[in-house]
Amino acid sequence: AQKITQTQPGMFVQEKEAVTLDCTYDTSDPSYGLFWYKQPSSGEMIFLIYQGSYDQQNATEGRYSLNFQKARKSANLVISASQLGDSAMYFCAMREGWTNFGNEKLTFGTGTRLTIIP
Amino acid sequence: DTAVSQTPKYLVTQMGNDKSIKCEQNLGHDTMYWYKQDSKKFLKIMFSYNNKELIINETVPNRFSPKSPDKAHLNLHINSLELGDSAVYFCASSQDRTGETQYFGPGTRLLVL
Repeated sequence: AQKITQTQPGMFVQEKEAVTLDCTYDTSDPSYGLFWYKQPSSGEMIFLIYQGSYDQQNATEGRYSLNFQKARKSANLVISASQLGDSAMYFCAMREGWTNFGNEKLTFGTGTRLTIIP
Repeated sequence: DTAVSQTPKYLVTQMGNDKSIKCEQNLGHDTMYWYKQDSKKFLKIMFSYNNKELIINETVPNRFSPKSPDKAHLNLHINSLELGDSAVYFCASSQDRTGETQYFGPGTRLLVL
């Protein structure tokens, strides 16, 4: 079974609109972390936001927020007031077993290509 | 100041050759990683080192050999390159084994002809 599922291979959004990128995850571990990374066309991987499984509040970083619904195992990324520079691939990732050494790896979803239309 | 750097950025080589990719981080992190991104953009862990000790070795052919001379460096050597090795290789680092965030290098684009 896929550990991280991103069901939107591509999205087109008008500039200045808000956009939600979907991510669902599968784990039986009570302790895990969820991440979003941005990969622009230049290729680098840019860390955007992190949510811990025990965090009570949704994470926010500037225009990025993570809509964490633990019971539904979803961790959607919300970008408010989208800009042309937001056009990129976006990857959701999970690290399981936070306290278990040997589980340091990130498992990635297949990504969503976001295109912002002027 | 680059936090995680990789060299070279591009690498084009013939099948059968041996090549190395270098990674350095100046963040003072203890843990470093190698990930491979294939042509469909899928990212997968290859190796992880903590304080020069190998802690993760996913099912990677033994033609791939990581080396960590110190905790700030993690190099990747690939023997007998094959066409299927063509990919983007990312180095990453995190503060320690329980570090929350992994910071990625710019990637090395390897093309095997």
